[in-house]
Amino acid sequence: RKEVEQDPGPFNVPEGATVAFNCTYSNSASQSFFWYRQDCRKEPKLLMSVYSSGNEDGRFTAQLNRASQYISLLIRDSKLSDSATYLCVVNLDGGSQGNLIFGKGTKLSVKP
Amino acid sequence: EAGVTQSPTHLIKTRGQQATLRCSPISGHTSVYWYQQALGLGLQFLLWYDEGEERNRGNFPPRFSGRQFPNYSSELNVNALELEDSALYLCASSWGPGVYEQYFGPGTRLTVT
Repeated sequence: RKEVEQDPGPFNVPEGATVAFNCTYSNSASQSFFWYRQDCRKEPKLLMSVYSSGNEDGRFTAQLNRASQYISLLIRDSKLSDSATYLCVVNLDGGSQGNLIFGKGTKLSVKP
Repeated sequence: EAGVTQSPTHLIKTRGQQATLRCSPISGHTSVYWYQQALGLGLQFLLWYDEGEERNRGNFPPRFSGRQFPNYSSELNVNALELEDSALYLCASSWGPGVYEQYFGPGTRLTVT
């Protein structure tokens, strides 16, 4: 089983739509969780950290379910500029290994 | 505030040569991470440096090596280049080890012919 799994998509949605991405992780020792976005041929950019209580940043809402080892990202009122690949990312063992484990990403295309 | 910077932007080498990639972290960040993103694949962890020491390395052969300098900048060296080393090499930095968010530089695109 892959360490971080995501639906690769693509998700093709119209402007203004609400879209949700899901992600599962295999290692229960995972300590911290993030969503990054990556535009074509660019570096990943941190979108938001994911906290146990869930958190919201404008149109973006992230949820974490530790029991099910599941993370989600909800985007409301999609904009054309939201088109990108969204990467689900976990960090193991409280950082003793340091590195992030990346999912392969879910591609989102927002159409006019 | 300046972000993570990397040089060069592009690098073209032939098989068997050596490549050196450079990274400067965000000011105040002490941890530097290197990742490889080959075409169609996800990001794969290469190396982690903190306070000048190698803290962890990913599942890559020893010909991938690096170091971190006293000013926290870092260098990634790839010896005996192979065609499959062609990829985008990304450097990230964070405030320190652990749960801190990592911020990425624009990457160096290495092409091996």
